[in-house]
Amino acid sequence: AQSVTQLGSHVSVSEGALVLLRCNYSSSVPPYLFWYVQYPNQGLQLLLKYTSAATLVKGINGFEAEFKKSETSFHLTKPSAHMRDAAEYFCAVSEGYNTDKLIFGTGTRLQVFP
Amino acid sequence: DTGVSQNPRHKITKRGQNVTFRCDPISEHNRLYWYRQTLGQGPEFLTYFQNEAQLEKSRLLSDRFSAERPKGSFSTLEIQRTEQGDSAMYLCASSPEGSPSYEQYFGPGTRLTVT
Repeated sequence: AQSVTQLGSHVSVSEGALVLLRCNYSSSVPPYLFWYVQYPNQGLQLLLKYTSAATLVKGINGFEAEFKKSETSFHLTKPSAHMRDAAEYFCAVSEGYNTDKLIFGTGTRLQVFP
Repeated sequence: DTGVSQNPRHKITKRGQNVTFRCDPISEHNRLYWYRQTLGQGPEFLTYFQNEAQLEKSRLLSDRFSAERPKGSFSTLEIQRTEQGDSAMYLCASSPEGSPSYEQYFGPGTRLTVT
């Protein structure tokens, strides 16, 4: 069965600092991996996705993630945090063969301090 | 393109009552998904449709839950005899095709509170 683990339910950074949100996955087949962001009282918005092309994936708002098969990881990074990045971030995995349903992690809340 | 819309945005109901939520996907999107999100958790998959056909249902979807997409456009999710444990955000998403390469576009959700 597929699963996703997000380490750290809360991450706090200063504005301008590096953002690192961790995601590890478990999958018996090559996975499809996603990062979504959720702002208060809004739906989820896709930041980026890995679908077996390039291992370094660039997304919107300056975020990127690197797929590392040996570490079963797909960590999300941004070189310089901005106040508007404060939100909840979810990592998700899809098997992509028999189903395209998404399996989400429990989320990481990012706080950005001035 | 106005995005995925969900109605109502908030619903408060008493235990034992039935509730129905509606989801309008992005026009011409063939796939429609329902997820449930409880406080402090990520969304959990409930069910999805390819046009009007319901292709998969989670074990989370008990007999009290039923979802339909009668004409392959909007979808409804009904919960019968609501319980306090049904309190959650119910999210709908749609995508143009059935490949995971296609993004799932999420609506704003319907927040259900069962008192």
